[in-house]
Amino acid sequence: QIVLTQSPAIMSASPGEKVTMTCSASSSVSYMHWYQQKSGTSPKRWIYDTSKLASGVPARFSGSGSGTSYSLTISSMEAEDAATYYCQQWSSNPPTFGGGTKLEIK
Amino acid sequence: QVQLKQSGPGLVQPSQSLSITCTVSGFSLTSYGVHWVRQSPGKGLEWLGVIWSGGSTDYNAAFISRLSISKDNSKSQVFFKMNSLQANDTAIYYCASHSFAYWGQGTLVTVSA
Repeated sequence: QIVLTQSPAIMSASPGEKVTMTCSASSSVSYMHWYQQKSGTSPKRWIYDTSKLASGVPARFSGSGSGTSYSLTISSMEAEDAATYYCQQWSSNPPTFGGGTKLEIK
Repeated sequence: QVQLKQSGPGLVQPSQSLSITCTVSGFSLTSYGVHWVRQSPGKGLEWLGVIWSGGSTDYNAAFISRLSISKDNSKSQVFFKMNSLQANDTAIYYCASHSFAYWGQGTLVTVSA
């Protein structure tokens, strides 16, 4: 199965700061998907098909990448963005998730 | 709007089975599949299996011997059953819609005597 490695595992950012987190796949995948999860709640689809924002996701979020390297970027950090973000692939069976990047507000 | 509501027990005895029902609204099970995912501190998010709109299923190879997913289209319900639970199966179990676009509220399952 494809292993997804997210980095960093934990990071913090000040309001207004640009944030980038990455997801590396053990084999090439066609698309990467991202989920946001806040404590005590279910994951929410955040970015799908590498760069498409899910409904309601602010435009300060963006996704990019190809092959084995993908990233999620926040152009200007806001307090509400503090959460754990998971990448996921289902180009290859079984679908797999990364270990998550916990983003904290400074 | 799309909703997935889960119901099932929170405590399961070791070696016993777990059954969770996922009741969906806002879409038809005859048109879209439903996935099952679990989340534990030790193993993170793990995909368990899926039942497709036509009724066929795919399972994670690690669970294929003890996992069963079925559904009742007329009741908009999907049924998850996992056998022979052990302590390391303690986790939050989620159902999720096609493309993982919508998720249920999760069922916290503790395996303990």
